[in-house]
Amino acid sequence: EVQLVESGGGLVQPGGSLRLSCVASGFTLSVYSMNWVRQAPGKGLEWVSYIGSSSIYYADSVKGRFTISRDSARNSLYLQMNSLRAEDTAVYYCATESCTSVSCHFDYWGQGTLVTVSS
Amino acid sequence: QAVLTQPSSLSASPGASASLTCTLRSGINVGTYRINWYQQKSGSPPQYLLTYKSDSDKHQGSGVPSRFSGSKDASANAGILLISGLQSDDEADYYCMIWHSSAWVFGGGTKLTVL
Repeated sequence: EVQLVESGGGLVQPGGSLRLSCVASGFTLSVYSMNWVRQAPGKGLEWVSYIGSSSIYYADSVKGRFTISRDSARNSLYLQMNSLRAEDTAVYYCATESCTSVSCHFDYWGQGTLVTVSS
Repeated sequence: QAVLTQPSSLSASPGASASLTCTLRSGINVGTYRINWYQQKSGSPPQYLLTYKSDSDKHQGSGVPSRFSGSKDASANAGILLISGLQSDDEADYYCMIWHSSAWVFGGGTKLTVL
């Protein structure tokens, strides 16, 4: 069974740092492109970052502050978040990206981890 | 102006059909994009529904009923998620998404109420 489990969320002060983890089971994470998506309380979805075999992309809102990475040996995806702001408060989801001949889409999602940035 | 605009809410009756629109910003041609649609129920992560670019370029998510379908309205520069035979279980938030300028972009979401 494919499963993604995020961890590492919590309460952090503005300007602080957190590292989110997403552990995969039931499949080899390194063969997939992966994404982080966040959702502020009561708000919509916001894409954060993408990592593929040879490319990395970030939303403008996090560029220069967040770093996406993965560890094949641990079958895990990470999001290093620095210089955190109140507006980064959200549930953070990791999601696999699958591509067919006609589409790329996010097919498996974790349950999310809550990051709260507040003094 | 946002890249993707969705109405914030929509209500429809059980058994009826609902058309959820996703309007692309002026200057971004809907005809060139594959539009992904996701459903999110309260307290759960989103679930992939389908992708639509054209009738010959579309993809249905695994296990997604055929009463969920995609289309486009070129005159409105919009993608459409059509849900037919509405059920109470369809009550959820629905998001469109495209790949644009080296980024995934979500619409603001539509809250569908079935009553």
